Amino acid sequence: DTEVTQTPKHLVMGMTNKKSLKCEQHMGHRAMYWYKQKAKKPPELMFVYSYEKLSINESVPSRFSPECPNSSLLNLHLHALQPEDSALYLCASSPDGGENSPLHFGNGTRLTVT
Amino acid sequence: TQLLEQSPQFLSIQEGENLTVYCNSSSVFSSLQWYRQEPGEGPVLLVTVVTGGEVKKLKRLTFQFGDARKDSSLHITAAQTGDTGLYLCAGTDSWGKLQFGAGTQVVVTP
Repeated sequence: DTEVTQTPKHLVMGMTNKKSLKCEQHMGHRAMYWYKQKAKKPPELMFVYSYEKLSINESVPSRFSPECPNSSLLNLHLHALQPEDSALYLCASSPDGGENSPLHFGNGTRLTVT
Repeated sequence: TQLLEQSPQFLSIQEGENLTVYCNSSSVFSSLQWYRQEPGEGPVLLVTVVTGGEVKKLKRLTFQFGDARKDSSLHITAAQTGDTGLYLCAGTDSWGKLQFGAGTQVVVTP
């Protein structure tokens, strides 16, 4: 079992819906990440939070809105998504976000936008 | 532009055979990480290599970091069906962001 928990595991939403993806870790890690992964492709970085502050936003469209309520939780709020946003959304954490800091991934939320 | 190039993209072998996956770049990395991702799961870290020329062994898996710290390889001896997965190398770029290679899909058949 992964130590990074993501909910829900699967999500189907229409283009006018608002939904949220949730991620939780209790390893005391201070950096948390959102990645998007399309089939047969590597994960693509979306956002990085370091010590609960947004440190990297990879020019992600505003229909994706991250939130870090505390050091253990990371949310991704979704609104007015497009079918091409369908993908596996992975959350990860690392001890301090340092250069050699390994990432611990959750098992992802499989999102389908209809 | 892909910072890290992996080869081959796809590899299908039978149980008991050996395989090698390569990760190459024109850039120098302070470290490289290898992950394995199985269907329906997130990537799992296998190893981090830090020192040029370093060789690390994890049971039947052998990881090597090039002397110039621009390339790495993963060698699996006597592959098992449980080794099936997407193998990803990753390195931190000059902006401090972890970049993944495109991945090598390995399929081990009985």
